[in-house]
Amino acid sequence: EAGVTQFPSHSVIEKGQTVTLRCDPISGHDNLYWYRRVMGKEIKFLLHFVKESKQDESGMPNNRFLAERTGGTYSTLKVQPAELEDSGVYFCASSQDRGLVSTGELFFGEGSRLTVL
Amino acid sequence: AQSVAQPEDQVNVAEGNPLTVKCTYSVSGNPYLFWYVQYPNRGLQFLLKYITGDNLVKGSYGFEAEFNKSQTSFHLKKPSALVSDSALYFCAVRDDNYGQNFVFGPGTRLSVLP
Repeated sequence: EAGVTQFPSHSVIEKGQTVTLRCDPISGHDNLYWYRRVMGKEIKFLLHFVKESKQDESGMPNNRFLAERTGGTYSTLKVQPAELEDSGVYFCASSQDRGLVSTGELFFGEGSRLTVL
Repeated sequence: AQSVAQPEDQVNVAEGNPLTVKCTYSVSGNPYLFWYVQYPNRGLQFLLKYITGDNLVKGSYGFEAEFNKSQTSFHLKKPSALVSDSALYFCAVRDDNYGQNFVFGPGTRLSVLP
């Protein structure tokens, strides 16, 4: 069974440009999460999809970030325009739990490293 | 609000010695606690979790963790460290009052010296 895959693994862009990160969750996993780790600090929650719906987007830093999950399969996270402080590693994770409160673990991708110059 | 603390940025231990990586948490409801490990250039891998029941939880690669409600701790342990255990370890908590969101600690880098 394929795990969570993320693309690209590393992206280097200039300030003001646009970048789109993609995540393919494990097949059948309704829950998809985006997290970010900046400058070796803690892993911060960005948002959570259940199928194609945004369940919680309280962690999205500002309106330069746009996440979509059309059709409830893969997800994209677009940063437009990118700023220097957006540099970091963006992790995607999925889980198959259903219901409001879950006890299951998350399955993570290898992350997309974004460097904004 | 939920929070997780990992008081040590770095833990060094000699191969064959026992290791402990510390984690404390704060939640308003009942905690669901997790440990993840990240090897270089890889994603986070699940090690073990505590949901309910026995306070001592056993997980992958010989790791275990003990849930201590009075001390709000969930320290990760292994009786005999291997050089291959060297990695970055993250503690995470879910609060059953807050649904699905995980909160992660800042991570502890474990170095096992040969």
